[in-house]
Amino acid sequence: DTGVSQDPRHKITKRGQNVTFRCDPISEHNRLYWYRQTLGQGPEFLTYFQNEAQLEKSRLLSDRFSAERPKGSFSTLEIQRTEQGDSAMYLCASRRQGYNEQFFGPGTRLTVL
Amino acid sequence: DAKTTQPNSMESNEEEPVHLPCNHSTISGTDYIHWYRQLPSQGPEYVIHGLTSNVNNRMASLAIAEDRKSSTLILHRATLRDAAVYYCILRDVIGTQGGSEKLVFGKGMKLTVNP
Repeated sequence: DTGVSQDPRHKITKRGQNVTFRCDPISEHNRLYWYRQTLGQGPEFLTYFQNEAQLEKSRLLSDRFSAERPKGSFSTLEIQRTEQGDSAMYLCASRRQGYNEQFFGPGTRLTVL
Repeated sequence: DAKTTQPNSMESNEEEPVHLPCNHSTISGTDYIHWYRQLPSQGPEYVIHGLTSNVNNRMASLAIAEDRKSSTLILHRATLRDAAVYYCILRDVIGTQGGSEKLVFGKGMKLTVNP
């Protein structure tokens, strides 16, 4: 069990640029989640995949955000035309079917200048 | 989403038990009570969950009130490594629409462990 991994761990970008983050869930975990966390707050749910299907999306996920999980394994989260308000920690989690526990990765910290 | 209420912070001493309270007066019959914690600079970590009965695992115990309107996470011997933000979360795993996958985090409660 190597845990959930996320890449990159840190990203600094200029406003208006596009960024893409990657999440590798624990193998055999068919459920994958993205959350966003700003300083002093708890994580906020963004979206959820069951295998390759995106089944639940938060209204926080604006048109500039898109997430994919093409083969039901790793997932990517892209933010287009970044804004300073997008600065946050982006967390990925995965869960095995039949189990309650979500395993979180270390997160990608995004700073938009 | 059903809400939980936790103190903003608590302090405890190393090697002593600590009881972390959570109120959830609007809990529904299909809500499970989950606890996660987040150590500094890390993603959240699952601690324990339960529905009606008290639960024990290697990390902690969960005591659930008979009316389910409150619960208490019990760390039997706090260590410095237990210093974290603790989140009490309700998740509807069944519900009228097949349940929800998302965890709805509040601000949590910061636990400080004194050596």
